[in-house]
Amino acid sequence: DAKTTQPPSMDCAEGRAANLPCNHSTISGNEYVYWYRQIHSQGPQYIIHGLKNNETNEMASLIITEDRKSSTLILPHATLRDTAVYYCIVRGTGTASKLTFGTGTRLQVTL
Amino acid sequence: DAGVIQSPRHEVTEMGQEVTLRCKPISGHDYLFWYRQTMMRGLELLIYFNNNVPIDDSGMPEDRFSAKMPNASFSTLKIQPSEPRDSAVYFCASSSSSGQTRYGYTFGSGTRLTVV
Repeated sequence: DAKTTQPPSMDCAEGRAANLPCNHSTISGNEYVYWYRQIHSQGPQYIIHGLKNNETNEMASLIITEDRKSSTLILPHATLRDTAVYYCIVRGTGTASKLTFGTGTRLQVTL
Repeated sequence: DAGVIQSPRHEVTEMGQEVTLRCKPISGHDYLFWYRQTMMRGLELLIYFNNNVPIDDSGMPEDRFSAKMPNASFSTLKIQPSEPRDSAVYFCASSSSSGQTRYGYTFGSGTRLTVV
């Protein structure tokens, strides 16, 4: 599975949009981009995933560039409860493909 | 659904003792994963099962670690003998092959293991 690069930390004011970038320049055609987050002392939580089209759900939006070499997770109105470590993961479609976590981005939402 | 259930939530044991961590996956999920998280190494996949069969145990650190899944609703991760460097949070996760690309993995709340 392709490797990802994320900034180690970001800050965001409460109520503003949080835009978390991820580079995955070696992604291959059949690999999905997944985002998970881990709030302190809890297990990781699935947020969203996509292949090449932009995706939106009740938690977030995922914007994938046309060349698929990078993506951005958008939390439209960040709250203090969104403070967490966010992981961008590239994973193949096969059921044997594992979910491998990197170091992620620590997002701090402040008042 | 109650989600993935892990027990105990916290475990403190002395070096050399046997430790058993338990996991109940979501009903109907056919994949089960064991992860370990430390400050130094982050989240590491130890082993995963498909339909109760171990598929990949390449992440298991050494022979002191063993995992079993006797049925679809229960799995154990055993450490014997335990060492202080095994101190970590151990997470269990499950997923469904039919919905895997839709919902991803569901993680439990973890077991915090401290070996003194």
